Amino acid sequence: EVQLVESGGGLVQPGGSLRLSCAASGLTVSSNYMSWVRQAPGKGLEWVSVIYSGGTIYYADSVKGRFTISRDNSKNTLYLQMNSLRPEDTAVYYCARSPFDQYFDYWGQGTLVSVSS
Amino acid sequence: ETVLTQSPGTLSLSPGERATLSCRASQSVAINYLAWYQQKPGQAPRLLIYGASSRATGIPDRFSGSGSGTDFTLTISRLEPEDFAVYYCQQYGNSHTFGQGTKLEIK
Repeated sequence: EVQLVESGGGLVQPGGSLRLSCAASGLTVSSNYMSWVRQAPGKGLEWVSVIYSGGTIYYADSVKGRFTISRDNSKNTLYLQMNSLRPEDTAVYYCARSPFDQYFDYWGQGTLVSVSS
Repeated sequence: ETVLTQSPGTLSLSPGERATLSCRASQSVAINYLAWYQQKPGQAPRLLIYGASSRATGIPDRFSGSGSGTDFTLTISRLEPEDFAVYYCQQYGNSHTFGQGTKLEIK
């Protein structure tokens, strides 16, 4: 059974940083295309970033230059380093498997990031 | 960017009825790269349909997807109580974008 468990969310001031983690079981992070998708409170879904099994990385324009996706193969864990956070980054952040960077078939339960002074 | 517009915003129906949800794209979606998700309060989205019409693993056959180009439809043939939720479409032919969602509520 595939399980994705996010952690690392919390309250941070504008301009601050946070690192989210997504621990995987039942799948190998390094062998899959893995994404982060976020959802602002009461709003819809927004794709944030993807890392391919081969290491290619893409970002949404809204986070490019501020967020960094990475993985630790030894820990089977996906990360999202978020810097220069803005109030509009407030959202639940989900990690998800995205086969060949297409749809999202396995999702974690999400972790809430709140950016506020 | 491909903008997806879902309609209606809210759909009020009774269990046993048929639900038809629409997703219209601002430009043609390449190779029918369109997916549908169901989301219940406090839960992560759940993949229902990919490739416009292929059901994901474990999805009941009362859920079906159709369409091509710019117009896509999710149909739930006979609503069960657990089907009342928010539904999102997503295109993955040109980066990734989601529709704003359709809330399916009990009438």
